[in-house]
Amino acid sequence: AQSVTQLDSQVPVFEEAPVELRCNYSSSVSVYLFWYVQYPNQGLQLLLKYLSGSTLVKGINGFEAEFNKSQTSFHLRKPSVHISDTAEYFCAVTKNYGQNFVFGPGTRLSVLP
Amino acid sequence: DTEVTQTPKHLVMGMTNKKSLKCEQHMGHRAMYWYKQKAKKPPELMFVYSYEKLSINESVPSRFSPECPNSSLLNLHLHALQPEDSALYLCASSHENTGGATEAFFGQGTRLTVV
Repeated sequence: AQSVTQLDSQVPVFEEAPVELRCNYSSSVSVYLFWYVQYPNQGLQLLLKYLSGSTLVKGINGFEAEFNKSQTSFHLRKPSVHISDTAEYFCAVTKNYGQNFVFGPGTRLSVLP
Repeated sequence: DTEVTQTPKHLVMGMTNKKSLKCEQHMGHRAMYWYKQKAKKPPELMFVYSYEKLSINESVPSRFSPECPNSSLLNLHLHALQPEDSALYLCASSHENTGGATEAFFGQGTRLTVV
């Protein structure tokens, strides 16, 4: 079975600073990787996904992530954050047909003025 | 239309009540999901429907009863719930893609409070 680790439960960062949210996964088979964002009292919105091809994927709102198979990682980055990026960020994996997404525990990003 | 619509947005129910949560999508997705999310936790998968048939039930108590009347609708019938069932219930849908995987699209959720 696959599992997802997000080592940082909370990440405070000042506005306009860069940020990296870490995600590591474990699986005995190839997986597909996703980052979702959840604003307070809302559902989850897809930021970006890695299915195949280029290991550097770009998403919405200026976010990007790099798939590293040897390190089993899929870290999320943004070069300059805004106050509006304050939210919960979930890394997720699935291995077949998109069913049974397994979510990491989440990282709370707080952007400070 | 890339939305998954959930109703109601908020629901307060007593432990003896019967209520239903509804979910609708018009993206032609043939996989639909129910997730339960407690505060400060990730979503936990409850049920998966594939082509209107229940394909995954993650050992959910029988007081939760899913139903998929057609390819666009997904219901979750609630009966005799407990206060610990209070949570955000999220519906999601995705393409069935035998060649790989696609993302799940999530609704805004129903905030359920059991009193």
